[in-house]
Amino acid sequence: NAGVTQTPKFQVLKTGQSMTLQCAQDMNHNSMYWYRQDPGMGLRLIYYSASEGTTDKGEVPNGYNVSRLNKREFSLRLESAAPSQTSVYFCAVPNPRQGTFSTEAFFGQGTRLTVV
Amino acid sequence: GQSLEQPSEVTAVEGAIVQINCTYQTSGFYGLSWYQQHDGGAPTFLSYNALDGLEETGRFSSFLSRSDSYGYLLLQELQMKDSASYFCAVRTGGGNKLTFGTGTQLKVEL
Repeated sequence: NAGVTQTPKFQVLKTGQSMTLQCAQDMNHNSMYWYRQDPGMGLRLIYYSASEGTTDKGEVPNGYNVSRLNKREFSLRLESAAPSQTSVYFCAVPNPRQGTFSTEAFFGQGTRLTVV
Repeated sequence: GQSLEQPSEVTAVEGAIVQINCTYQTSGFYGLSWYQQHDGGAPTFLSYNALDGLEETGRFSSFLSRSDSYGYLLLQELQMKDSASYFCAVRTGGGNKLTFGTGTQLKVEL
């Protein structure tokens, strides 16, 4: 979706390496989310940010850190990657035209991460 | 706590009608949404129900019963391109979190 941009699209890491996944939105929404999706499974919330400068843990925060330095960007960092973090990562932003508690969200195209 | 339950897999033939159910538990309720995700793609929003009843969007309809904490997605005149995973979603955590069900993989056969 043009409103939510994730980088990179693909990444291979060695165990113990670190990296940051970037997400940027042009919809001017307060909330942003990071999810991971494993094969055959749903989307599990890692961290979310309800507004600029605030972040909160989701279901599976262990091994990750996030940063919301401004309204537009929300980054996800793996400090020491593990094979269990091999997954597809999605950033999402609620539709700003549907109100604060909208369940309609736009997703980035995803980052396919492999940790070997 | 909060949870959303969906069947893991549904199979149907082209041209048929299929219903994908979702039951949810959440301390607050702000509506139920449905998403579609094709293999290798990102989830895309399909529909939203805030109130009880049926919402129709072309071949797709979504139903909600708040008293039963239950909803479903109805797909009519199935096409091969409808083969995908479908997720229901609700707001949890006082409304700040957007939580998804485990997803239902729909396979459409000839």
